[in-house]
Amino acid sequence: KAGVTQTPRYLIKTRGQQVTLSCSPISGHRSVSWYQQTPGQGLQFLFEYFSETQRNKGNFPGRFSGRQFSNSRSEMNVSTLELGDSALYLCASTMGRGSLTLGAQYFGPGTRLLVL
Amino acid sequence: KNEVEQSPQNLTAQEGEFITINCSYSVGISALHWLQQHPGGGIVSLFMLSSGKKKHGRLIATINIQEKHSSLHITASHPRDSAVYICAVRSFQGEASGTYKYIFGTGTRLKVLA
Repeated sequence: KAGVTQTPRYLIKTRGQQVTLSCSPISGHRSVSWYQQTPGQGLQFLFEYFSETQRNKGNFPGRFSGRQFSNSRSEMNVSTLELGDSALYLCASTMGRGSLTLGAQYFGPGTRLLVL
Repeated sequence: KNEVEQSPQNLTAQEGEFITINCSYSVGISALHWLQQHPGGGIVSLFMLSSGKKKHGRLIATINIQEKHSSLHITASHPRDSAVYICAVRSFQGEASGTYKYIFGTGTRLKVLA
């Protein structure tokens, strides 16, 4: 069974641009959660999608958005990029609601975003 | 002050040494997780604790709910244990949403030398 895949793996953007990251969950998994990881703040929860609906949201500005498609694949979008958005963006999938148990989540390798 | 604090931030050990990583938290929790992140980003869950102690191979995790503290121990450390270890607590987000939120520590970077 293929693991969680994220594309692209690396990305360089400039301030003010927007970016879209993609996450394909493990086959059969219906929940996708997104996290931002920076050296200073560590891992922070962005949002969770389950059955195409956002079920849970972290404390990030509205520039961060996401969606989930009927095949459970998910995308997250960051508009008007700022230098502080440089981070590793991780997605994780699980069969049930991800917010119920972190231990059941399978993480992807992440997309490393650098904003110049 | 972060709601979840880990110590130390960085740790270098010789192969075979006993290692302890600490996690303290200041919020009410329903569970605590220890995660391992290898270079390249992949994260795996090692333990979920709500009380007491769990053991898996050379790894032992303990939690003291009253003191709001957890420790991860690695016995007979090996270079393949080199990774970032992250503590995460599950806290109830609120009655309205009926969901939990996870708060993560900033991680402990462990390097085990052969």
